[in-house]
Amino acid sequence: GAGVSQTPSNKVTEKGKYVELRCDPISGHTALYWYRQSLGQGPEFLIYFQGTGAADDSGLPNDRFFAVRPEGSVSTLKIQRTERGDSAVYLCASSYLFGSGELFFGEGSRLTVL
Amino acid sequence: AQSVAQPEDQVNVAEGNPLTVKCTYSVSGNPYLFWYVQYPNRGLQFLLKYITGDNLVKGSYGFEAEFNKSQTSFHLKKPSALVSDSALYFCAVRDPNTGFQKLVFGTGTRLLVSP
Repeated sequence: GAGVSQTPSNKVTEKGKYVELRCDPISGHTALYWYRQSLGQGPEFLIYFQGTGAADDSGLPNDRFFAVRPEGSVSTLKIQRTERGDSAVYLCASSYLFGSGELFFGEGSRLTVL
Repeated sequence: AQSVAQPEDQVNVAEGNPLTVKCTYSVSGNPYLFWYVQYPNRGLQFLLKYITGDNLVKGSYGFEAEFNKSQTSFHLKKPSALVSDSALYFCAVRDPNTGFQKLVFGTGTRLLVSP
């Protein structure tokens, strides 16, 4: 597709359940980012991939959060034992590896934990 | 660590009037600065960026921003606001010394343009 695609657009789950959020970046973009945006806040960095490897996962809040990008394209953000505080919009972005920093964002996956 | 501050939660302006959305930054060295816009139920869209060169940067939809190193500011401006400019605006900074492209975002400023 032309842009960054994220699925699902909305996910409602119960506390304690496992959730996967998927991101399909723009073709040719080797850098991929996950951000989290809570209500009334700016996007908060979670993790950054160069190709298949996580170059910086310093933003992951705890070990319940994990992300993979096994073939250097599609990425999956995985959240175990979800908590109500995990409710937010999870944004994915991609870019060229050596560009000047412009990120292209998807529309996000809204996660609601009941 | 790099950071940006957007001191105004909301900016109100009448259509046709000039608008300014403020941003200040904190980063060691020379920053890369960005403005993004977020319309309701839409993803973040890139507006403009400052990397180096002319301090006045022009971007999409008639927006521009002025980089001021002495004041560590990067305010977003538009000479004549449109109702359709109403949205949430985010300033972001990248520290070029980090070696990769992580952006740090501000908390956002809601722009409301009245007819």
